[in-house]
Parts: sequence; structure tokens; C-alpha cells
Amino acid sequence: EIVLTQSPGTLSLSPGERATLSCRASQSVSSSYLAWHQQKPGQAPRLLIYGASSRATGIPDRFSGSGSGTDFTLTISRLEPEDFAVYYCQQYGSSPLTFGGGTKVEIK
Amino acid sequence: QVQLQESGPGLVKPSGTLSLTCAVSGGSISSSNWWGWVRQPPGKGLEWIGEIYHSGSTSYNPSLKSRVTISVDKSKNQFSLNLSSVTAADTAVYYCARSRAGIEDWGQGTLVTVSS
Repeated sequence: EIVLTQSPGTLSLSPGERATLSCRASQSVSSSYLAWHQQKPGQAPRLLIYGASSRATGIPDRFSGSGSGTDFTLTISRLEPEDFAVYYCQQYGSSPLTFGGGTKVEIK
Repeated sequence: QVQLQESGPGLVKPSGTLSLTCAVSGGSISSSNWWGWVRQPPGKGLEWIGEIYHSGSTSYNPSLKSRVTISVDKSKNQFSLNLSSVTAADTAVYYCARSRAGIEDWGQGTLVTVSS
């Protein structure tokens, strides 16, 4: 099983600032099958990024993903008020599919 | 875009079986997608339970495999989750999901509480 470790656990930033979230895998993620999901309180998660760097339909271009192998990054270039949420990485290259523990992006 | 809607009892007794159904609309369950379940205990992270292809091929999380069955009903365009021998640790919001390039669509989720 691939274990995903996200850091930091909490990121305290102001609107307009840049957010950089990390996801590290215990072994190489096959074919960069790494996704990022956003979850707001009381809501279901929403897919942001798949294939490590492809934005899902309707996702603003301030969200970008990068990385390969065992190290992946989600970057939010300029935080909007609606971006404060919890972000999960997820690998789907090998079974079982696994999620990271999440990074909470909160308003400073 | 595919819509997913979970349904089922919100309260299950310990040692009983948790049964949920996910209705698929806006697309066919026989399309080239995997249909699965993810759960989230209150205040905690996400855990993948398993998934099924329309052919009936399944994949389960080893940590739950002995207790989980996922099935598909093409005639009703829906799929289901059965989780047996539940305990309080199975209390969670259960989401159904559509996967192709990762999980692409999520249901709104349904809270299932295990309690006597």
C-alpha cells in the first residue's frame, strides 16, 4: 500500500498570498496517477487536479499541480476567499487507492 | 456531468450490516468508469473502501475486504455497498464516487451512525 504524507498539516495564509502544499509518497506513484481534491466544511470533496498536473473541468488556473515519482505539489497562486478549505492528495496508480491525511488552508 | 446520490439507513446496530445504494443519473453505469465508495469518519480523513466496474469486476481495500461487498444493478443504473459486522468505528459519512482518471465525481455523502 502506498502511504501519502501531506505537509504542512495546517497552512495559515492571507487572501492574495501563494499556497504551496506538499504530498510525498512512500513509493513511486505509477504514471503520475496523483490527484488533488478540495473539501469545504459540510461538503463532499471536489476534484481539482488529476494526472499530477491536469486541471479538472471548471477549475481556475490559479490551481496548478506538479511533481512525479514520490514528490508532488499543489500550488494556489493567489488565494481567493473561497479557497480556504482542506486539500487531499490521492493516488490511483495502484490498489488500494489511498489518500493523504490532508492539509488545511486557513485564513491568517 | 454525472450525478450521484446515496441512500440508505442513517442508523445501523452494532454487528449488523450497513447497506447503501448510489443512484447514477446523467450517464450510464455501463460506461467506461469505475464506481466506488469512500468514507470519512467525523473530523477525520478519507478512506477508500472499494469499487466495481459494470462487468462486475471489483477491487477492495484489504483492510475492509473481509466485510465488504459492492455490486451493480444495470437495470436500475445504480450500485450498492454492503458492510457487515459493523462497529462504532464504521460510523462515517459514506460517499459514492465515479472514477476514471482518479475520482472525478462525488456524491453528496450520507452519514451512517453505528449505535444501539
